[in-house]
Amino acid sequence: SQQGEEDPQALSIQEGENATMNCSYKTSINNLQWYRQNSGRGLVHLILIRSNEREKHSGRLRVTLDTSKKSSSLLITASRAADTASYFCATDLSGSARQLTFGSGTQLTVLP
Amino acid sequence: SAVISQKPSRDICQRGTSLTIQCQVDSQVTMMFWYRQQPGQSLTLIATANQGSEATYESGFVIDKFPISRPNLTFSTLTVSNMSPEDSSIYLCSVAGLDEKLFFGSGTQLSVL
Repeated sequence: SQQGEEDPQALSIQEGENATMNCSYKTSINNLQWYRQNSGRGLVHLILIRSNEREKHSGRLRVTLDTSKKSSSLLITASRAADTASYFCATDLSGSARQLTFGSGTQLTVLP
Repeated sequence: SAVISQKPSRDICQRGTSLTIQCQVDSQVTMMFWYRQQPGQSLTLIATANQGSEATYESGFVIDKFPISRPNLTFSTLTVSNMSPEDSSIYLCSVAGLDEKLFFGSGTQLSVL
């Protein structure tokens, strides 16, 4: 079964609102990464958080990691229509990106 | 960072035919990865392409169905052989950066009729 499961599967919000996506996983990890995919295209790396980190920021993105609960969340603040995409978490067990396991994804729609 | 050119971007193919997808990277990389994304699903690793040796396939994927070439450190191809409608997916190549993240090509959207 997949390492990462995300919820919600789909999220629709108004422009300017915040969007929160959650990811749960099953085994110990070296790091957890978030990627964005625009409609059927390649994935773009957003942010990486290591197992010894609890929170990380990058622009309008905030990622948290709770290793005791084996969960992570991605917060996008002040969302824009251009943020409309699918968001995937990916767990890295070894720290080499050779065996990333992707979650099921959250489809975010930001309405103008 | 790495820039990856993948082609074709999309194709519509007939059942029983084969399609070869090409992936060109702008720098030399040891390993290249091929993923499949079935409609509405997440990514599944097909195989890891190593230069100078045979590709390493994940469980459920076999060389006869998905032969891979890796002639040098900047190029790889994935062939989807004897296609059926169940092979309709997005196929993605990727490489790992020095900072443990993956860079992806733009994907090949394959539809099999």
